[in-house]
Amino acid sequence: QKEVEQNSGPLSVPEGAIASLNCTYSDRGSQSFFWYRQYSGKSPELIMSIYSNGDKEDGRFTAQLNKASQYVSLLIRDSQPSDSATYLCAALYTGTASKLTFGTGTRLQVTL
Amino acid sequence: ETGVTQSPTHLIKTRGQQVTLRCSSQSGHNTVSWYQQALGQGPQFIFQYYREEENGRGNFPPRFSGLQFPNYSSELNVNALELDDSALYLCASRLGGTGELFFGEGSRLTVL
Repeated sequence: QKEVEQNSGPLSVPEGAIASLNCTYSDRGSQSFFWYRQYSGKSPELIMSIYSNGDKEDGRFTAQLNKASQYVSLLIRDSQPSDSATYLCAALYTGTASKLTFGTGTRLQVTL
Repeated sequence: ETGVTQSPTHLIKTRGQQVTLRCSSQSGHNTVSWYQQALGQGPQFIFQYYREEENGRGNFPPRFSGLQFPNYSSELNVNALELDDSALYLCASRLGGTGELFFGEGSRLTVL
């Protein structure tokens, strides 16, 4: 069973701080990883994708991938109350069908 | 705005009934996937269609079926509804072989 594991949280950070979200995956064959943000009652919104080891930055967001440790993380700098949401980590397993396997999500709360 | 639209947004059915959910994806997005998201869980892969053929299926029974049409629209059909089918059903599309999936707003199904 290919799995993606996340701490369900909630992770509480003060406004302006760095939020660090973590994810591990079980299948070494997975090549691509994604972070989705999901507000309560809404659908997931893609915020970052990462395909190779190292860091990838996009505005306030930085995704980090370490394939040797099977570890993916998302850093959110200068956290804002509008960042309060559930963050879903997903791994792409390719084969006959390229399907995403999601973790259960980490709930982030940014406090004033 | 992902260009993926779903209908209906909300619906209520009773156990044993049948339901059809619809999705319209972006022009050129020839791959469409359906996911089920139960409350507090990450999305679970139901199946994927590529050029109107099912080319991958998750751990869902045959009463979950689908269709994809040449105009980039698709349907998810669920027969003999059970209480546990209550969930947010998400349609996602992507262009060709890229891994990035873009979700529609979802259809929230409640089975009573």
